[in-house]
Amino acid sequence: NAGVTQTPKFRVLKTGQSMTLLCAQDMNHEYMYWYRQDPGMGLRLIHYSVGEGTTAKGEVPDGYNVSRLKKQNFLLGLESAAPSQTSVYFCASSYRTNTEAFFGQGTRLTVV
Amino acid sequence: SQKIEQNSEALNIQEGKTATLTCNYTNYSPAYLQWYRQDPGRGPVFLLLIRENEKEKRKERLKVTFDTTLKQSLFHITASQPADSATYLCALDMRSNYQLIWGAGTKLIIKP
Repeated sequence: NAGVTQTPKFRVLKTGQSMTLLCAQDMNHEYMYWYRQDPGMGLRLIHYSVGEGTTAKGEVPDGYNVSRLKKQNFLLGLESAAPSQTSVYFCASSYRTNTEAFFGQGTRLTVV
Repeated sequence: SQKIEQNSEALNIQEGKTATLTCNYTNYSPAYLQWYRQDPGRGPVFLLLIRENEKEKRKERLKVTFDTTLKQSLFHITASQPADSATYLCALDMRSNYQLIWGAGTKLIIKP
């Protein structure tokens, strides 16, 4: 049982480049989330999805886009990377709200 | 303004003692509060969830209290072990949307 799997685990981008982070979950969860984690700060929600084909903005959505074409996958895109997007990105899923969230192992992204 | 506060300084505890971590919040009315553990380079792992109408929740050596009047949650680890060393995160689960609001975490170090 893999749980939540993120790819890649590490990536270095040059300013202006684009990339897509992939999140896959095998628990049949409806809710999926993308967070970023920066030193000294709590996890901040970028975008989330409450079901296949739906997405919504979180606390810090600017510079990111997402898609949820299949229930098990949630993609996070950076169209034009900026140094301010250097962070550790976590994907999570949950059965519903007010239940535990399951996290992936994270993607460490550096934008130079 | 709304904020969540966890001790930003590391908490050093002798093995076998009880470790107590705090999570204070202002200007929120959470329906639930969750605690997670995060090890270096890994995603957070769920530990306990407590509802607003519950005063206390226990799981093995873990205990969580939730005081909505004081706007505070305490997280206790009894008979602490070096393996309990990690960063512990609290998250507020609001009743009106899908977002968890996260504290920055407290690093716990259990010394043998």
